[in-house]
Amino acid sequence: DADVTQTPRNRITKTGKRIMLECSQTKGHDRMYWYRQDPGLGLRLIYYSFDVKDINKGEISDGYSVSRQAQAKFSLSLESAIPNQTALYFCATEDKNIQYFGAGTRLSVL
Amino acid sequence: GQSLEQPSEVTAVEGAIVQINCTYQTSGFYGLSWYQQHDGGAPTFLSYNGLDGLEETGRFSSFLSRSDSYGYLLLQELQMKDSASYFCAVIDNYGQNFVFGPGTRLSVLP
Repeated sequence: DADVTQTPRNRITKTGKRIMLECSQTKGHDRMYWYRQDPGLGLRLIYYSFDVKDINKGEISDGYSVSRQAQAKFSLSLESAIPNQTALYFCATEDKNIQYFGAGTRLSVL
Repeated sequence: GQSLEQPSEVTAVEGAIVQINCTYQTSGFYGLSWYQQHDGGAPTFLSYNGLDGLEETGRFSSFLSRSDSYGYLLLQELQMKDSASYFCAVIDNYGQNFVFGPGTRLSVLP
């Protein structure tokens, strides 16, 4: 089983819908991150969390929210999805300067 | 702010050596990492440089010069399976944040 698991793997939704992307980890790491990846732009940080009570905005947090339900769970929500949020989303944990990524969620907003 | 620059594409033949450069401008610097991402896959950690100099891991080596805000990834004895995108990432603010470059797509030809 994967150490960092993202669900769903693929999602198609319509403009204006609220959706949640989930991430769980079995690595026991305190630090967790959400990124989006667009062609030619690399990975851009949306939110990060250093523990259950610590949530921080990243470079592109507008239009997104997160919840750290437990050390092992970090979910990303799009309150009202828009087409330019179509992207590949990655969750990651971090320990000793190394990030461990989930397999990603491909989201399409129509 | 932070910005990283990498070449967008590099092509080489099997058995050759290739160097992928990364220059950065950041408000705070802690270390430089490299990640590999195959098409459709998740980024995976390759190497980390916290100090100036060369780090070697098998066929891959990574170099950092803090005074030049510059690093590179060196891939030796190229194999077809090395065809992938390679991202440099700066860890800034004393390990609190990761900023990724736009990525370099490496194509290895037979």
